[in-house]
Amino acid sequence: EVQLVESGGGLVQPGGSLRLSCAASGFTFSSYWMSWVRQAPGKGLEWVANIKQDGSEKYYVDSVKGRFTISRDNAKNSLYLQMNSLRAEDTAVYYCAREDGYNDYWGQGTLVTVSS
Amino acid sequence: VIWMTQSPSLLSASTGDRVIISCRMSQGISSYLAWYQQKPGKAPELLIYAASTLQSGVPSRFSGSGSGTDFTLTISCLQSEDFATYYCQQYYSFPPAFGPGTKVDIK
Repeated sequence: EVQLVESGGGLVQPGGSLRLSCAASGFTFSSYWMSWVRQAPGKGLEWVANIKQDGSEKYYVDSVKGRFTISRDNAKNSLYLQMNSLRAEDTAVYYCAREDGYNDYWGQGTLVTVSS
Repeated sequence: VIWMTQSPSLLSASTGDRVIISCRMSQGISSYLAWYQQKPGKAPELLIYAASTLQSGVPSRFSGSGSGTDFTLTISCLQSEDFATYYCQQYYSFPPAFGPGTKVDIK
């Protein structure tokens, strides 16, 4: 059974940093692109970033470029999102998702709140 | 950037109804379209990919059609567990993007 479990969310002040983690199991993690998708409270879904199987290609939505870094550790079956210079508008539930063009499996999400 | 619209944004329906949700693109995306269902407080779940391919385990009352710029999600006979928000997603071009969503609630 495919499982994705996010962790690392919480309350952070504007300008602060946070690192999200996603532990994957039930599939060959190193064979798939992986994504981060977020959802602000009461809003729709927004794709944030993705990363190729070997980590050699990474892509970001414009609003997080230069502030967020996606990475992975295939030996640990883990996906990460390092978020720096956080803003109030980054407040959202962050989901990790397996990607095959579309996102076929999603974690339960972790809430990031940016507020003073 | 591809702009996406969904209609309606809110759909009030009754159990047993046939429901059709539309997703329109600002430019052609061939069949690189997925549909997701999301219930409150839960992660989205994939229903359909490649515009019309049903994800494993999804009930056959869900179907998708379309190509190019116009797509539809049809629920043939609405069940109580189908009251949720539905999103389309294009994965033809960067950045992959989701539509604004259609909430299906109880009439």
